[in-house]
Amino acid sequence: EAGVAQSPRYKIIEKRQSVAFWCNPISGHATLYWYQQILGQGPKLLIQFQNNGVVDDSQLPKDRFSAERLKGVDSTLKIQPAKLEDSAVYLCASSFGGVGEAFFGQGTRLTVV
Amino acid sequence: AQRVTQPEKLLSVFKGAPVELKCNYSYSGSPELFWYVQYSRQRLQLLLRHISRESIKGFTADLNKGETSFHLKKPFAQEEDSAMYYCALRDLYSGGSNYKLTFGKGTLLTVNP
Repeated sequence: EAGVAQSPRYKIIEKRQSVAFWCNPISGHATLYWYQQILGQGPKLLIQFQNNGVVDDSQLPKDRFSAERLKGVDSTLKIQPAKLEDSAVYLCASSFGGVGEAFFGQGTRLTVV
Repeated sequence: AQRVTQPEKLLSVFKGAPVELKCNYSYSGSPELFWYVQYSRQRLQLLLRHISRESIKGFTADLNKGETSFHLKKPFAQEEDSAMYYCALRDLYSGGSNYKLTFGKGTLLTVNP
């Protein structure tokens, strides 16, 4: 089966600019996750969707980060304005349900200069 | 709050030697423990979960609730086992559909010829 698709793979922006990442989950997976992985750290959950509803966004810096999954399939994660500390790999994952195995995408490596 | 600790950032062994990657957790609820692996230039993928009690690629892990540990073991390491390994925890009975994965910082395993 096709895996979780993410784009772009790499992005370099200046601080205070905005950026958006896109994720297409595995077909039929209702649960979608966005994780942030800073260099030397494990992935940290930013937001979890169940279909098009938000289940958990407790660790999402809502003053600058936003995410949506309007039709319950694709999702976008936006950062506006970006800060230097936002440099990280942003991972998207999906699962059939909340308890199912989470399958990860290749990630988007963001560098903020 | 749930926390996962992987005390070793780096672990280097020779081919054929036994390997043990340590993972300790702190959580007051009923945890589900996982090991994820990331090979060079590949996406993060599930290696095993304690509920299934499987042995994958020769790796096993036993959940020790008394010691709050979930160490990953393999009796004879192979060069192809070289990768980044992450231990992760999820609350098994959190209710609703919130099943947030909490990851450790990871251990980079290098198996030398």
